[in-house]
Amino acid sequence: GAVVSQHPSWVICKSGTSVKIECRSLDFQATTMFWYRQFPKQSLMLMATSNEGSKATYEQGVEKDKFLINHASLTLSTLTVTSAHPEDSSFYICSAHGGGAQGYTFGSGTRLTVV
Amino acid sequence: GQNIDQPTEMTATEGAIVQINCTYQTSGFNGLFWYQQHAGEAPTFLSYNVLDGLEEKGRFSSFLSRSKGYSYLLLKELQMKDSASYLCAVRDRNAGNNRKLIWGLGTSLAVNP
Repeated sequence: GAVVSQHPSWVICKSGTSVKIECRSLDFQATTMFWYRQFPKQSLMLMATSNEGSKATYEQGVEKDKFLINHASLTLSTLTVTSAHPEDSSFYICSAHGGGAQGYTFGSGTRLTVV
Repeated sequence: GQNIDQPTEMTATEGAIVQINCTYQTSGFNGLFWYQQHAGEAPTFLSYNVLDGLEEKGRFSSFLSRSKGYSYLLLKELQMKDSASYLCAVRDRNAGNNRKLIWGLGTSLAVNP
């Protein structure tokens, strides 16, 4: 079946540094990638939607200069959290459209802790 | 606007049956999804409904009534491992990006022995 590989699974970084999260579709072409953030005991919050070769569409309240999204190919999308702060600590999950159950395949998630 | 409601928490007993309801309001309904999510893990697809009726898949079934804006997920023969959060999500063709899913807040199910 369709698989999205998300790395890293977890990362600890110092406040003020940047962290890059990668999502790679292994056996299908992901024309659209959704990036979510999830705080403990809360639901998924869509941050942005990216389409291959074009600029990402950010949800209201999400800073595009802080959360940089690149979708340069049909198999790779990246999310970079720039100048991370402790409040950015969260679980970040990507979901690719293309392949998978009714077209959505989730990555395994990245636990980010900013200290 | 768009809105999805589901209960915050539910408790059930091992071996029993539990029904998790979801109501939604969208302008361009184009499918409803149920996902299971264990703590610290990504959501796992359970079911998809786009037409009215019941979809059965093993111990899990999902029902949809488009006229009522209502769905439920039915879990039979509950097992301890079914303790998880259950997320209802709706695809709305009028949501800007017609592939975007609108998510409920999730129902945390605790299965007790």
